[in-house]
Amino acid sequence: DGGITQSPKYLFRKEGQNVTLSCEQNLNHDAMYWYRQDPGQGLRLIYYSQIVNDFQKGDIAEGYSVSREKKESFPLTVTSAQKNPTAFYLCASTRQGALTGELFFGEGSRLTVL
Amino acid sequence: GENVEQHPSTLSVQEGDSAVIKCTYSDSASNYFPWYKQELGKGPQLIIDIRSNVGEKKDQRIAVTLNKTAKHFSLHITETQPEDSAVYFCAAGGGADGLTFGKGTHLIIQP
Repeated sequence: DGGITQSPKYLFRKEGQNVTLSCEQNLNHDAMYWYRQDPGQGLRLIYYSQIVNDFQKGDIAEGYSVSREKKESFPLTVTSAQKNPTAFYLCASTRQGALTGELFFGEGSRLTVL
Repeated sequence: GENVEQHPSTLSVQEGDSAVIKCTYSDSASNYFPWYKQELGKGPQLIIDIRSNVGEKKDQRIAVTLNKTAKHFSLHITETQPEDSAVYFCAAGGGADGLTFGKGTHLIIQP
């Protein structure tokens, strides 16, 4: 079955450490996205990529970094510069490279900073 | 930028009754309005969407209505069932800024 795989599902990290969240898709989608979800909040866009080797900042990119070396993969690094990193992180993709159209989401990664 | 308000934050209905969730948006350039359902511990899933050239769209028990003049759109679920219990998000967008999501509605179906 095609879909988006995020790992790990749960992650704990100490303050001051960088952590990388994995996102892989086998849907052959061009565009991929990272969203952050906090309790009682909507989804906020961190970064997106419409094509390999290219990506753009979303609304809350500070303290995060991404890469898009392969079409299938879009890892997110939460750096020590992110002041409040504890959250649920969602990776998504769309068929076309536009910022609208159906988003296909992974099951998320929950990051807790101790 | 776009601002989306969603109400109510929690909605409890008896099984079999209807549920209505409402959203307003601020940017008149928005032309795409999807609704996502998120079950506990999972990613959201698109359940229905509407574009601004259409006033209403139905898919079995789910319908979405759009009032462009008033800048609001609503999700209607009829004959609610226990599996409808989830968090529902509306979103608005369509331009270069992408989608802006509402804060979500926790729908509880009481047996």
